[in-house]
Amino acid sequence: KAGVTQTPRYLIKTRGQQVTLSCSPISGHRSVSWYQQTPGQGLQFLFEYFSETQRNKGNFPGRFSGRQFSNSRSEMNVSTLELGDSALYLCASSQAGDIDEQFFGPGTRLTVL
Amino acid sequence: QQQVKQSPQSLIVQKGGISIINCAYENTAFDYFPWYQQFPGKGPALLIAIRPDVSEKKEGRFTISFNKSAKQFSLHIMDSQPGDSATYFCAASPGLSNYQLIWGAGTKLIIKP
Repeated sequence: KAGVTQTPRYLIKTRGQQVTLSCSPISGHRSVSWYQQTPGQGLQFLFEYFSETQRNKGNFPGRFSGRQFSNSRSEMNVSTLELGDSALYLCASSQAGDIDEQFFGPGTRLTVL
Repeated sequence: QQQVKQSPQSLIVQKGGISIINCAYENTAFDYFPWYQQFPGKGPALLIAIRPDVSEKKEGRFTISFNKSAKQFSLHIMDSQPGDSATYFCAASPGLSNYQLIWGAGTKLIIKP
């Protein structure tokens, strides 16, 4: 079974731009969670989608948004990029939304200049 | 109250020794406590996890010890090997159908040959 895939793996943007990151979960998995990882703040939960519905949201500004498609693939969008948005963005999937069955992708490294 | 505090920040252990990483939490609603292992350039991978109804769980060389009254849990790596060199994260789930993980800050473990 293929693992969680994230595209692109690396991205460079400038302040004020917007960016869309993509996550393809493991086949059959219906839940997708997004996390931000930075050296200063560590790993922080962004949001979680299950069957195209956002079930939980972390404490991030509205510039961070996401969605999930009927095939369980998910995208997250960050608008009006700030320097502090530079981070590794991780996607994790699970079969039925069980917190104890999360599998992580390799992440997308976003650099904001 | 949502925090998970992890120590030490870094750890150097001789090959064959025991590596011990500790975590503490405040929120008594947390009901799932996983440990993740992350290698450079990769996403976190679930190593071992425990629920509050047991005090210890062992999988191979990895053991979680859980102290509910002290609100602490720890990871023990027996017979540590150079291949165990990685960053380790503890985490906790708030439960109550809250599908997110609250993460510790991470411990960089180096196993010296």
